[in-house]
Amino acid sequence: DVKVTQSSRYLVKRTGEKVFLECVQDMDHENMFWYRQDPGLGLRLIYFSYDVKMKEKGDIPEGYSVSREKKERFSLILESASTNQTSMYLCASSTPGSNQPQHFGDGTRLSIL
Amino acid sequence: DAKTTQPTSMDCAEGRAANLPCNHSTISGNEYVYWYRQIHSQGPQYIIHGLKNNETNEMASLIITEDRKSSTLILPHATLRDTAVYYCIVMVAVYNYGQNFVFGPGTRLSVLP
Repeated sequence: DVKVTQSSRYLVKRTGEKVFLECVQDMDHENMFWYRQDPGLGLRLIYFSYDVKMKEKGDIPEGYSVSREKKERFSLILESASTNQTSMYLCASSTPGSNQPQHFGDGTRLSIL
Repeated sequence: DAKTTQPTSMDCAEGRAANLPCNHSTISGNEYVYWYRQIHSQGPQYIIHGLKNNETNEMASLIITEDRKSSTLILPHATLRDTAVYYCIVMVAVYNYGQNFVFGPGTRLSVLP
């Protein structure tokens, strides 16, 4: 069975902190993605990676960075957290190929105070 | 980019088939139709996808009209656990190695006892 695991379901941090969100997949997928989901805005792509140490910006990369040191792990970093980064963060993975579906984790609900 | 239109909400009796429609009249020839669902407080769950032909898997069936301008997701025997928001997505962009899914408002399906 497909499994994408995000390290925390709920997280509360303070403005200015450096925040790490971790995602691990056990399906040997090459592609991994980070989205945020906000009411009325749907899912928005932050970054994705198609191979170890490779990364590409999505639609809203500002204020975020990513790290992919191992194939199974993709980390999202909020360099200096701000209140407008309060959101649900979703990690996904897929095999290469334009028609392959993405499989999502259960999300991390992040609150920045 | 191809857009989708779905009813805002639907009800279905437990044990009956749930038929969820989706219009995608501007779909282009190489775009796939994907269905996901999201249960409250969880990440999106992949259900099924297709290009032209009808598809079936252990969760659902996907019926795509011959002109590909609409499709229907069928849950053959709905249970209370199928209560969720269902998203019909037409892939809107293709990067070299991934996709950028755009989730609209979806259909809120309520399965009633």
